[in-house]
Amino acid sequence: QQPVQSPQAVILREGEDAVINCSSSKALYSVHWYRQKHGEAPVFLMILLKGGEQKGHEKISASFNEKKQQSSLYLTASQLSYSGTYFCGTEGLATSNFGNEKLTFGTGTRLTIIP
Amino acid sequence: ETGVTQSPTHLIKTRGQQVTLRCSSQSGHNTVSWYQQALGQGPQFIFQYYREEENGRGNFPPRFSGLQFPNYSSELNVNALELDDSALYLCASSLDRGFGSGNTEAFFGQGTRLTVV
Repeated sequence: QQPVQSPQAVILREGEDAVINCSSSKALYSVHWYRQKHGEAPVFLMILLKGGEQKGHEKISASFNEKKQQSSLYLTASQLSYSGTYFCGTEGLATSNFGNEKLTFGTGTRLTIIP
Repeated sequence: ETGVTQSPTHLIKTRGQQVTLRCSSQSGHNTVSWYQQALGQGPQFIFQYYREEENGRGNFPPRFSGLQFPNYSSELNVNALELDDSALYLCASSLDRGFGSGNTEAFFGQGTRLTVV
């Protein structure tokens, strides 16, 4: 039930755009996106809740297609600082009153930005 | 800086030993989750604690156990260490129970790199 991310790796020149996809086989409540640089903790980028809303954070935005259980992360005019591994974390619909389910992370997409 | 600190940053243990990893969450964060991240993989959920009680567990054996304390600190204990336990262990704290309630983000610590030899 681990979400599948694509591509696994991508190399861009500074200023180019990228799209990272995250696909789940189960009904989702939310999708979380994180970026992790080598040797560092994952850093939160954004949360998308079911309803298909799109969010933005500077030049990074994301969408969530509830019907397809897919989310895409869009990086425009990439900067060197965008390099790192991007993870989507998916949260399924709550199955009890005890609380929401765990966050299940994908295998990651390694993004390399070159000057 | 996420306000979440973990100790130690690196640790080497021998197979069969026991280990305790520590995490200090942001003040006021009632939820802490622990993850295991193998090299080149995404974090795998171990368990979550909410107000000192376990609030969900991933597919990990009982030799992985945890505690959460009233002062927003927590521990991950692993008994009978195996070579496959070598990984980066991350804790993440959040304000609310679970991740989805109230649009809650999780703040990760820098992790503890555990090597079992």
